[in-house]
Amino acid sequence: EAQVTQNPRYLITVTGKKLTVTCSQNMNHEYMSWYRQDPGLGLRQIYYSMNVEVTDKGDVPEGYKVSRKEKRNFPLILESPSPNQTSLYFCASSWSGGAPKAFFGQGTRLTVV
Amino acid sequence: KQEVTQIPAALSVPEGENLVLNCSFTDSAIYNLQWFRQDPGKGLTSLLLIQSSQREQTSGRLNASLDKSSGRSTLYIAASQPGDSATYLCAVKEAGANNLFFGTGTRLTVIP
Repeated sequence: EAQVTQNPRYLITVTGKKLTVTCSQNMNHEYMSWYRQDPGLGLRQIYYSMNVEVTDKGDVPEGYKVSRKEKRNFPLILESPSPNQTSLYFCASSWSGGAPKAFFGQGTRLTVV
Repeated sequence: KQEVTQIPAALSVPEGENLVLNCSFTDSAIYNLQWFRQDPGKGLTSLLLIQSSQREQTSGRLNASLDKSSGRSTLYIAASQPGDSATYLCAVKEAGANNLFFGTGTRLTVIP
C-alpha cells in the first residue's frame, strides 16, 4: 500500500531536549516536505527536498533541520525545541515539486512544555 | 505572498443536501489547486486536483471548479452523507514554486 509514515504520532517533550520526527514513503517519490498546522494559520511549509541531498527552506524553517540521505526518508529535527513549536506536523511526498497529488502522513502531534 | 482563504470556517447541513465550499486565493499565477479532506487522526487525503489550464474536475459526488482569473475555486458535494463530515482544505501551488499554500479549512458536519 502506498503510504507516508510518520513516527511518533504523539510526543510530549521538554524545552531544549533534541528530538527527531521520522518520515518515510514507499512510493519512490523525489519530492518530500514538512508542514506544521496551527489553529487559524492553516498548514505552513517548514522545509522541502527535491531529491536526495537537496533540501531547502519553506515558509517557517526557523528552529528546524532536515536531512535527505535516502530517497525514502526525510526526518525533521528539532535541535532545541521550544513551546512555540507545539503543533501538528505533517510530512508529504509527491513525484516532483510540479506534479499532481501530494500524499500526506497521518501527522505528529508535538507538545513542548 | 499568496494568501488562501476559505469561507465559511464551519458548516452544518442535514443529510442529503447539496453544498458548496469556497476557496479564494490572491495571486492568480498558480500551477494547480488541490482539495484535501482532513479527518482527525488520519492526516490529509487528496480529493481533487485542478491544473491551471482546467476549469473543473469531478470524482463521484464531488466536483471542483477553478476560476483562475478571479482567484476562486469551489468544491461542490452532492447528496451529502454523514461520512462526508470532515475538514476540507484547499491548497494552491504557484507556478515556479515548490510549496503548497493552504487555506485554514472548512469544517463540515453532515447531520443524519
